[in-house]
Amino acid sequence: DVKVTQSSRYLVKRTGEKVFLECVQDMDHENMFWYRQDPGLGLRLIYFSYDVKMKEKGDIPEGYSVSREKKERFSLILESASTNQTSMYLCASRNSGASYNEQFFGPGTRLTVL
Amino acid sequence: SQKIEQNSEALNIQEGKTATLTCNYTNYSPAYLQWYRQDPGRGPVFLLLIRENEKEKRKERLKVTFDTTLKQSLFHITASQPADSATYLCALSVGSYIPTFGRGTSLIVHP
Repeated sequence: DVKVTQSSRYLVKRTGEKVFLECVQDMDHENMFWYRQDPGLGLRLIYFSYDVKMKEKGDIPEGYSVSREKKERFSLILESASTNQTSMYLCASRNSGASYNEQFFGPGTRLTVL
Repeated sequence: SQKIEQNSEALNIQEGKTATLTCNYTNYSPAYLQWYRQDPGRGPVFLLLIRENEKEKRKERLKVTFDTTLKQSLFHITASQPADSATYLCALSVGSYIPTFGRGTSLIVHP
């Protein structure tokens, strides 16, 4: 059974803290994605990675960075958390080779920044 | 850029009826369109893919249509059940590598 796991389901942090969100997939997928989802705004792409050590900015990269040192792991970093980064964060992976391939999503991390 | 519109109002229907959800898009016709289901507090789960040269796709009680003239996709669930209650997202790709997601429509099936 294919799986994308995220390190935490719920996370509470304080303004200014550095936050790490981890995502691991066991499907040997090349592509990985980080989204945030907010009511009324839908899924917005933060960063994606075509392959190990490769990354591309999505639609809303400001305030975030990513790391992909191993194929199975894609980390999202909030350098200095702010209250407007309170959101649901979703990681996804996809097999490369066809842009229509389905994305497999993790369960999400609900981050609250106080 | 591609703009995707899904009805923001929840769709309420009675069990056993057919639910029809709409995904409208502007600008260029996508090369393909995907539908996902999302339950509260969970990540989306892929349901169906339809390509631009396909008019209709079926999977069990699910049916998706794709009308490039109207710039619209319809997602149907026949014989709906309370367990079908969820938010349904459409995602379009115009040929770029990354699909764009709609905001989703909530479906509520009443017993």
